[in-house]
Amino acid sequence: AQSVAQPEDQVNVAEGNPLTVKCTYSVSGNPYLFWYVQYPNRGLQFLLKYITGDNLVKGSYGFEAEFNKSQTSFHLKKPSALVSDSALYFCARSTNAGKSTFGDGTTLTVKP
Amino acid sequence: ETGVTQTPRHLVMGMTNKKSLKCEQHLGHNAMYWYKQSAKKPLELMFVYNFKEQTENNSVPSRFSPECPNSSHLFLHLHTLQPEDSALYLCASSLELNEQFFGPGTRLTVL
Repeated sequence: AQSVAQPEDQVNVAEGNPLTVKCTYSVSGNPYLFWYVQYPNRGLQFLLKYITGDNLVKGSYGFEAEFNKSQTSFHLKKPSALVSDSALYFCARSTNAGKSTFGDGTTLTVKP
Repeated sequence: ETGVTQTPRHLVMGMTNKKSLKCEQHLGHNAMYWYKQSAKKPLELMFVYNFKEQTENNSVPSRFSPECPNSSHLFLHLHTLQPEDSALYLCASSLELNEQFFGPGTRLTVL
């Protein structure tokens, strides 16, 4: 079973609107959860992570994510989207055994 | 710049060639990774090294051969590849289970 799932291949939002990119994880051990962004022809860049502590995690470029244990979710959010946020977003998870798993990615398009 | 460098950035090779991809990090990380990224499968983990020891081989064909001489350098040796191996090959490093830092990737085309 996939450790991390991103149910949407594509998310489209208008500039200035809030955005959400969804991620759910399978329950096994303590989840270390991450979000990465990939711009065209570039490697992935780390955005934010949840290890322990506050469920709301703030990261780079105004992004945040909420760890929801009951729903096993870690959705990425931003209150006001920018055209420059258009990119490919990956949710990822590490386990205590040191195994990393990435979701299939979600392409975010922000239209002016 | 993330502190992880990859060379070459682009590589075109024939199916009978032998080539190597290089990855380098001086971030003090103990773990290094190779990923394959293609249109078919967005991000596939290939190999993981932790303190120079291979800890994961994700059923990768033997035509891909990794080498990790020290914690700062990682190689991927390629021989007799197939056209379907054409992809972006990404290297990453991390400190334990923390976030991974990715290089810019090598765009590989196999003719």
